[in-house]
Amino acid sequence: AQSVAQPEDQVNVAEGNPLTVKCTYSVSGNPYLFWYVQYPNRGLQFLLKYITGDNLVKGSYGFEAEFNKSQTSFHLKKPSALVSDSALYFCAVRPFMDSSYKLIFGSGTRLLVRP
Amino acid sequence: DAGVIQSPRHEVTEMGQEVTLRCKPISGHDYLFWYRQTMMRGLELLIYFNNNVPIDDSGMPEDRFSAKMPNASFSTLKIQPSEPRDSAVYFCASSSTSGGFAGELFFGEGSRLTVL
Repeated sequence: AQSVAQPEDQVNVAEGNPLTVKCTYSVSGNPYLFWYVQYPNRGLQFLLKYITGDNLVKGSYGFEAEFNKSQTSFHLKKPSALVSDSALYFCAVRPFMDSSYKLIFGSGTRLLVRP
Repeated sequence: DAGVIQSPRHEVTEMGQEVTLRCKPISGHDYLFWYRQTMMRGLELLIYFNNNVPIDDSGMPEDRFSAKMPNASFSTLKIQPSEPRDSAVYFCASSSTSGGFAGELFFGEGSRLTVL
């Protein structure tokens, strides 16, 4: 079965420190991978995606993610966290060969950045 | 450009009543998705359309739920009759396959439904 796992319900970091939000996936074949962010009472917003090529992908608001095929992971990172980064983060995957265009979302990780 | 527009933003209704949620996708987008978000179940895909045609409704919970897309600029999700367990935030999202589609979805702000 194809799935996405976000092992941490919540991640706490201090402002200015680096942050990592973890994501692992299980799909058949090569994946398309995504990160979305949800602020309170808002819809999800696209942050970044990996399709092919460089394993390090840069996205919005200074976020980046590293694709690791051997570990089937796609962790979200930021070198220096801001209080305004506090939000709910979702990892999502779409199998490369899947013509349905459906995304499989993880359960979400709440990021709390303290001043 | 205007984003995905959903209405109403908030709906409070009583059990047994009919609820209709509305969505206007981004102009030119050919895919439309309906998701439901709850604390217990996270984000669930209910149904999605391609060029106004329903492609996969396997996520629709039961016959009380129905969705339509009469044209490229409008879709509805209807619950009849509503039950307290339907209380959730319902999101509409759209996307485009022009230029090659990889899965970037554009979400509306959601419709928060409370069924008493």
